[in-house]
This record gives sequence, C-alpha cells and structure tokens, in this order.
Amino acid sequence: SYELIQPLSVSVALGETARIPCGGNNIGIKHVHWYQEKPGQAPVLVIYRDSKRPSGIPERFSGSNSENTATLTISGAQAGDEADYYCQVWDSTTLVVFGGGTKLTVL
Amino acid sequence: EVQLVESGGGLVQPGGSLRLSCATSGFTFSTYTMNWVRQAPGKGLEWISYISSYGTGIYYTDSVKGRFTISRSNAQSSLYLQMSSLRAEDTAVYYCARAESNGEAFDIWGQGTMVTVSS
Repeated sequence: SYELIQPLSVSVALGETARIPCGGNNIGIKHVHWYQEKPGQAPVLVIYRDSKRPSGIPERFSGSNSENTATLTISGAQAGDEADYYCQVWDSTTLVVFGGGTKLTVL
Repeated sequence: EVQLVESGGGLVQPGGSLRLSCATSGFTFSTYTMNWVRQAPGKGLEWISYISSYGTGIYYTDSVKGRFTISRSNAQSSLYLQMSSLRAEDTAVYYCARAESNGEAFDIWGQGTMVTVSS
C-alpha cells in the first residue's frame, strides 16, 4: 500500500518561512493536497493539486511537488498558523492516503 | 453557505451498531462525491469510505470492509454511514467531507461527530 511520510514536527520563527515535507514513492506524478487542522476544529483544505489555493487561503501558503517529495511552504509564518498539517493523495490501490501529520510550532 | 453537519455519534458497546448522518446544504449535493474520514484521539486522519455522486461507486478502507456501509440520499442531500460490529479501535471523531470537482481533494468538512466504543 502507498505511504506518505511526514516529520512529526517542524518549528519556525515568527515571520520566517516554514517548509513541511511529505515523502512518497514517485509522489511527483500524483496530485498532492494539504490540510490544516487546529485543535478542536475540522480540517481545512489549504492547498490542492500540488500548488492551488482555495479561495480564502492566504497567499503565504504555497505548495510544490517533485520526484519523491511534496512540500507545503508557509511564508512569513504567523502565530495563527500553528496547527497540524496533513498531506493527502489518491492512489490506485489504497485510494485515499493521508500522511501522518506534522505539528507546526511558530516560535 | 456550504455546510455539512454530522450527527448520530455516541457511546456504544463493542459489537454494537450506530448510524451516522451528514446533512448538507448550500450546494448541489447530487453532483459531488462524498467521503467519511475519522480521527482517533491523538491520532492522524484516516480515510474510511467513498461514495460517488449517484452511489454507483463505493469504496472502503480494509479495516472497515464488511462492517461499515456508506450510502446517500440525493433527494434529502444527506450522507450516511451504517457501522456495525464496532470495536474499541473504531473510537474516533467521524467527519463527512465533500470532494472537490475532480474528486481528489476534500474541500468542505463537517464539524465531526464523536463515536466511543466502550463497555
């Protein structure tokens, strides 16, 4: 079955750039989607199809995907960006796959 | 406003059954595929089931196959999850989620309903 690997945690200084990786075998040929989840709230889609932002998502959220790693980038990280972030893909055998999630801490 | 509202969660004994509902509004329900995703306490997101717009395509993750049944009523703009033979490891918050136009990303989520399986 297909697996997505994320680091358990990433830290970033306030106002700096955070990069959250999501590793998977040949993930570059799949569409990767990213979700933000804050405590007690439902997940929110922040990036879809590798790099597209839904309406209402700030421009500081961006995404890229190549070869074996997709990356969610948060430029000028704010305190309100502290959350868990999950990557997700569709796979022909496993269907929907989520990464294990990364806790982003803004210092 | 697009909304998904889950209901039906609660405390159930191991081996018991429960039916979750997801009432939707603000969009043409019959044109979207829908999914159920769960999150066990302190754990990550786990996709459990998918249903196509007219219910002709249905998929489950292996751990719930044969125990859970997804269904929908386009007339009532509602999604359902019938859960049976429940186990302690099914304890989780259950979310219904709409898939966006190409069917891959989940663009709208409900607030979730808690299911606790315990004696």
